[in-house]
Amino acid sequence: KAGVTQTPRYLIKTRGQQVTLSCSPISGHRSVSWYQQTPGQGLQFLFEYFSETQRNKGNFPGRFSGRQFSNSRSEMNVSTLELGDSALYLCASSLGRTAGNTIYFGEGSWLTVV
Amino acid sequence: SQQGEEDPQALSIQEGENATMNCSYKTSINNLQWYRQNSGRGLVHLILIRSNEREKHSGRLRVTLDTSKKSSSLLITASRAADTASYFCATALTTDSWGKLQFGAGTQVVVTP
Repeated sequence: KAGVTQTPRYLIKTRGQQVTLSCSPISGHRSVSWYQQTPGQGLQFLFEYFSETQRNKGNFPGRFSGRQFSNSRSEMNVSTLELGDSALYLCASSLGRTAGNTIYFGEGSWLTVV
Repeated sequence: SQQGEEDPQALSIQEGENATMNCSYKTSINNLQWYRQNSGRGLVHLILIRSNEREKHSGRLRVTLDTSKKSSSLLITASRAADTASYFCATALTTDSWGKLQFGAGTQVVVTP
């Protein structure tokens, strides 16, 4: 069974540009969440989607947005990139419907903003 | 803000030794999950322990949870060089936290052959 798949794995963008990251959850998983990992702030929750609806949102500016499609695949978008957005962005999936499910992570997308 | 704090921040041991790391958190939780991260890679799930459980085992891993002290520990027995990684505890605060976890800063473990 395939794990959580994230694309692209690495990308470099210029300040002011926007970026879209993609995530395919484990088959059968309907909850997809996104996290940002930086050396300074550690792992921080961005948002969570279930059945195409955003359920939870972390404390990030509106430049960070996401969506989920009917097949549970998800994308996150960051607009007007800033240098501080350079980070590893991790997608995670779980069955949803309860907090007691194991949450599985992908390999992440490394974003560098120059 | 981070819910959990891992202790120690870094740990250096020799192959064959045991490694113990601790995690403390601030508020009541639904469950706690431990993850491993190799440098530059994603998070690998190790163990999930629910708030009504006290201990769980998986292979060479043993996790304990003390909700009265708001703390958990991860023990890796007979460590191997391949165990070199960062280890994170993550908490789900409520039954509504389906995919939302709060992470600690992690413990960096180096196992020397």
